[in-house]
Amino acid sequence: SQQGEEDPQALSIQEGENATMNCSYKTSINNLQWYRQNSGRGLVHLILIRSNEREKHSGRLRVTLDTSKKSSSLLITASRAADTASYFCATAPIYGGSQGNLIFGKGTKLSVKP
Amino acid sequence: DAGITQSPRYKITETGRQVTLMCHQTWSHSYMFWYRQDLGHGLRLIYYSAAADITDKGEVPDGYVVSRSKTENFPLTLESATRSQTSVYFCASSVQANTGELFFGEGSRLTVL
Repeated sequence: SQQGEEDPQALSIQEGENATMNCSYKTSINNLQWYRQNSGRGLVHLILIRSNEREKHSGRLRVTLDTSKKSSSLLITASRAADTASYFCATAPIYGGSQGNLIFGKGTKLSVKP
Repeated sequence: DAGITQSPRYKITETGRQVTLMCHQTWSHSYMFWYRQDLGHGLRLIYYSAAADITDKGEVPDGYVVSRSKTENFPLTLESATRSQTSVYFCASSVQANTGELFFGEGSRLTVL
């Protein structure tokens, strides 16, 4: 049961540019979270935005949530080579599948070239 | 250091063998999870546990068994491994309800020949 779908699947940018990744989902959610995964490593939590929030910031990260469109975006400003990783959105559905547990999308693979 | 550790990190086994992947966390988090990560599928929930002695199925539980006799340990057993279970397995924990922030281990890469 794929709830979140990230777009694009892959993104390649130069250091210093901004990177924007999008996530669309299907059902009503409690919250939406973004995670980063470096190659060969576990996922690391970046930010959580609740359904009643529209925007959240954390350092160079900016997350927006539009519940009417069932979509979220993650913006990384002034990207660095160290930001190269896969980024996943995860949604916590209010009703239905997965017993309310987080459902992960397939991820966006970001490559930041020095 | 506190954290969540998985072992083994890499395992090669043969079809039909039993394999157990271990997960240990030092935070005393109530919730623990097992996910598998496959190309084209992202992360899929296998089993989760809300507390010691409480476990429940996730999206893809067939062929797997879990137990949680102690809060800190959540082993995942493949009773008779199949090639389709070749994957990277991640254990995670959460301090709050099952919709809170997840803390992941580094993963166990399993190859079934």
